[in-house]
Amino acid sequence: SYVLTQPPSVSVAPGKTATITCGGDYFGGQSVHWYQQKPGQAPVLVIFYDSDRPSGIPERFSGSNSGNTATLTISRVEAGDEADYYCQVWGSGSDHSYVFGSGTRVTVL
Amino acid sequence: EVQLLESGGGLVQPGGSLRLSCAASGFTFSTYAMSWVRQAPGKGLEWVSVMSGSGGTINYAESVKGRFTISRDNSKNTLFLQMNSLKVEDTAVYFCAKDVLPGITDCFDSWGQGTLVTVSS
Repeated sequence: SYVLTQPPSVSVAPGKTATITCGGDYFGGQSVHWYQQKPGQAPVLVIFYDSDRPSGIPERFSGSNSGNTATLTISRVEAGDEADYYCQVWGSGSDHSYVFGSGTRVTVL
Repeated sequence: EVQLLESGGGLVQPGGSLRLSCAASGFTFSTYAMSWVRQAPGKGLEWVSVMSGSGGTINYAESVKGRFTISRDNSKNTLFLQMNSLKVEDTAVYFCAKDVLPGITDCFDSWGQGTLVTVSS
């Protein structure tokens, strides 16, 4: 089955930039989506279709997809950005399933 | 405003059954694919099952295939998950989630708050 690899943790000082990667064998043209999840809460979509932001998500959140690696970038990090972040793709091959990455814990120092 | 409200979780013994419900409001329910996603304690997100808006297309994760059944009642804007032959490893918070655009399966723009299922003797 398809596997998305994320670093387990990223630490960043307030005001700096956090970069979270999501690696796959090949996204095969599929878009990558990103979720933020704070403890005890449901996930929130922060980036979809590689780089689009849903309404209400700050411009500090941005995304990119190079084909083998997708990246979520959080600029001017704030304490409230501390959370787990998950990448996700829709596997349109034989699996026909949603695949999540293993998740990255972002810690604001 | 989109709202998703899960119910039906609880404590069940291994081998038992449970039926989860997700009441939806704030959007045209019948036009959106809906999924169940779960999260075991301290673990990541795992997609469980999806049903298209019409109910004509269904998929399951391998880990639940043959044991779980997804269904929906579009007249009542409600999604269901029938869980049979439950295992300890099915213990998780179960979220229902709405796809971002009508008629497609891609990503989830709305989630419920989740309902906890605990499988233990």
